Formats: sequence, structure tokens, C-alpha cells
Amino acid sequence: GQQLNQSPQSMFIQEGEDVSMNCTSSSIFNTWLWYKQDPGEGPVLLIALYKAGELTSNGRLTAQFGITRKDSFLNISASIPSDVGIYFCAGQPTRYGGATNKLIFGTGTLLAVQP
Amino acid sequence: GAVVSQHPSRVICKSGTSVKIECRSLDFQATTMFWYRQFPKQSLMLMATSNEGSKATYEQGVEKDKFLINHASLTLSTLTVTSAHPEDSSFYICSARPPGGDTGELFFGEGSRLTVL
Repeated sequence: GQQLNQSPQSMFIQEGEDVSMNCTSSSIFNTWLWYKQDPGEGPVLLIALYKAGELTSNGRLTAQFGITRKDSFLNISASIPSDVGIYFCAGQPTRYGGATNKLIFGTGTLLAVQP
Repeated sequence: GAVVSQHPSRVICKSGTSVKIECRSLDFQATTMFWYRQFPKQSLMLMATSNEGSKATYEQGVEKDKFLINHASLTLSTLTVTSAHPEDSSFYICSARPPGGDTGELFFGEGSRLTVL
């Protein structure tokens, strides 16, 4: 199935550091979502982006919808140990829900934070 | 956010048996639910789209006779892995989208880990 290219694949950082990860696609998406998945759990939505150029924050997390609509990035500031997990970007062809509006996932970024 | 719940969270079965996994939307009605499969250290791959009152739509390469999907009500979709084999061992995750509005947000269940011996 189709996947989005996400980088980096993994990151090992010290507590307090800032983190940045991005996601690119060969096709246009009109919605970008960022999820976090803890081991053995389902993904949890962090941020949703609906407009090209949009910059949205959720606490220490900031995500941007690329102008070309083919990319997005997620920043985490002042990382803490509970930020550990796998982060996935996800793209959706249109803004609105519906049976045919499928969510395509990125390859994931594993984040490890050392106290 | 909306709540989606799966059951069971873990299941171990013998090769050749069938296993049913339930996905429920607890605080909203979902005419459409999505079933994903995730292998260790990999991303989520969409298997099929479950449609209330009609047949599911399967992604290319997913055997519909192997993975039976039933969406009998607006709050329940089930995935049955028939004649399971060890290669079917995986993490199965369902998701649903609250109706209406302009949100494309998809909410996920906790996942069900299937181990076939």
C-alpha cells in the first residue's frame, strides 16, 4: 500500500532538547495529521492541519502544513521522557471525511529521550 | 476526542482456527470504520473499509475471504481472521471518524494483538 516518506527513522536525544521530524509525499494531500503511538497501543491524534501553510501548536508540539501540500513537519520543544514513542504523519486526499477518503500513514519516527 | 474501543486486546490461537475482533465507537455513530494492520516496527497499513449495512471495501492484496468484515450496526464493526496461520500474527487496529463537520480526524482503538501458534 501507499506510504508517506518520514524522516528521520529514529532519534535518540537528551531530555530538554528540541526535536524535528518531517514527512514528504509525491502527491498532494489536503489534510495532514500527526499521531503518536505508544507500544501496544493504538495511535493518538496530536495535531490536525487543514490548510497549506498552516502552523498549529498543541502545547510543546508545533506542526506545519507545507505550502506545496506535499509535506509537513512536527517539532517538539523541550522534550521530556514521556515524549518517547513512535510518531506518525498521515495524509488525507481531502479535508472532509467519508468512506473513500482514506488516511495514508508515514513510515514513522521512533523517538527515544534519555533523562 | 471521540472514543473507539477494541476487544480483545490480546488473543492467542492455534493455527487453523478463526478469531473475531470487535471495534466499537462508544460515543458516536460511525457509518464507516477502517481496519489497519501493523507488523512490528512498521507503519499502519490499511486493510479494508467497513461500511455499515453493506459490503466492506478491501485494499489491493488483502484477501476478503480471509479477513471477514461485518459492520452490522452504527457502533460495531467486526474483523474475523479465518483459518488463521502464524503469518497472520500481527497488531490489528480499527479506527472511525465522527460524522459531520469538516474534520478529517480519525480516532483509533487500542489495537488487538493476534498471535497464531
